Amino acid sequence: GAGVSQSPSNKVTEKGKDVELRCDPISGHTALYWYRQSLGQGLEFLIYFQGNSAPDKSGLPSDRFSAERTGGSVSTLTIQRTQQEDSAVYLCASSAVGGGPQHFGDGTRLSIL
Amino acid sequence: GQQLNQSPQSMFIQEGEDVSMNCTSSSIFNTWLWYKQEPGEGPVLLIALYKAGELTSNGRLTAQFGITRKDSFLNISASIPSDVGIYFCAGPRAGTASKLTFGTGTRLQVTL
Repeated sequence: GAGVSQSPSNKVTEKGKDVELRCDPISGHTALYWYRQSLGQGLEFLIYFQGNSAPDKSGLPSDRFSAERTGGSVSTLTIQRTQQEDSAVYLCASSAVGGGPQHFGDGTRLSIL
Repeated sequence: GQQLNQSPQSMFIQEGEDVSMNCTSSSIFNTWLWYKQEPGEGPVLLIALYKAGELTSNGRLTAQFGITRKDSFLNISASIPSDVGIYFCAGPRAGTASKLTFGTGTRLQVTL
């Protein structure tokens, strides 16, 4: 199917390392979102891209987190100098237009040792 | 900030029973969304509500947008084993149609 695709599905890394998480949105969707879900919790908004507008980074928890979206399609979430509290599932979603129904990928489960 | 509180936190029911769960907020929401998440997967949108008082059904699921715009409920009738999962309510934050605030979730277990 042509749903939201995230990679890797699982990532285990040592504290202090940098990680990159990838999201391929549904083709043609102009809006892309990143969320974080800690164990047993709801989803926490991180960042939102809409077309060519400047991204809304208001949910990023620290300056170690950054994201970019190249060519209005694929997005990469980067976490620098990872800490154990960064361990979570990172979910990406896309919608046809900003504010439209969000379709989620299956997430990347990140574990920091 | 806006928070969404869901109850109950978890439910253990028998196949065939009806289920009711709700979501409340101290702030007004103009849209209410209900998602279901199964293990190892992302949330899937079940029902979207856009108008106070609106009652919407999707198969065995029925959801209502509270008149005060501070609450919503989701009912599942005649539960089946595949209803197992975590149900989240969500709504866009004030001033935006895009950034969603998610509730704490209701975990549903169905026994045969």
